[in-house]
Amino acid sequence: QVQLVQSGAEVKKPGATVQVSCKASGYSFTGYYIHWVRQAPGQGLEWMGWINPNSGGTNFAQKFQGRVTMTRDTSISTAYMELRSLRSDDTAVYYCARDYGYGDHSLPYWGQGTLVTVSS
Amino acid sequence: DIQMTQSPSTLSASVGDRVTITCRASQSISSWLAWYQQKPGKAPNLLIYKASSLESGVPSRFSGSGSGTEFTLTISSLQPDDFATYYCQQYNSYGWTFGQGTKVEIK
Repeated sequence: QVQLVQSGAEVKKPGATVQVSCKASGYSFTGYYIHWVRQAPGQGLEWMGWINPNSGGTNFAQKFQGRVTMTRDTSISTAYMELRSLRSDDTAVYYCARDYGYGDHSLPYWGQGTLVTVSS
Repeated sequence: DIQMTQSPSTLSASVGDRVTITCRASQSISSWLAWYQQKPGKAPNLLIYKASSLESGVPSRFSGSGSGTEFTLTISSLQPDDFATYYCQQYNSYGWTFGQGTKVEIK
């Protein structure tokens, strides 16, 4: 079965960088886009961007352009999201999710979430 | 980016009620719309994709309709397990966006 397992919680200081990993199993890693979505405490869902694990191509929400990098290591079926210049309002649960494929980018599979806390 | 506006923000309903949530897009998104259910502390769960396709394993009391800019999620008979927050998401164009969410509460 499809599984996405994310790395553990992080505590960072303002201005630091965080990297969250997402290890995929149960399907062909290069066949489906991986998306990153975050949710601040008590708030709604915010789409950050996607990576095409096959080509490495990426697309980011305008809000995160220049501050986010998404990469992958196909040898270990793992995607990474790196967010730089962290601020207190980056405190959130960060989710990776796999899309449906076949041209449909809805998200039927999600990781368990990684809490990133930004605090001095 | 395309803006998604959900209404209502909060909905109070009883078990057995028919519930409808609306999502409006700031421009046409064809049928590239999904609906998710989220419970506290959990990842979202896909209910509907491509506006009206029921995800495998999702109860048939959930249905979606619409195209273009206006979409609805309907729960035909609300069950205790359905009290949660619901989000729409457009994926028509680069810059996927979510609605702000609708919390379905017990009346």
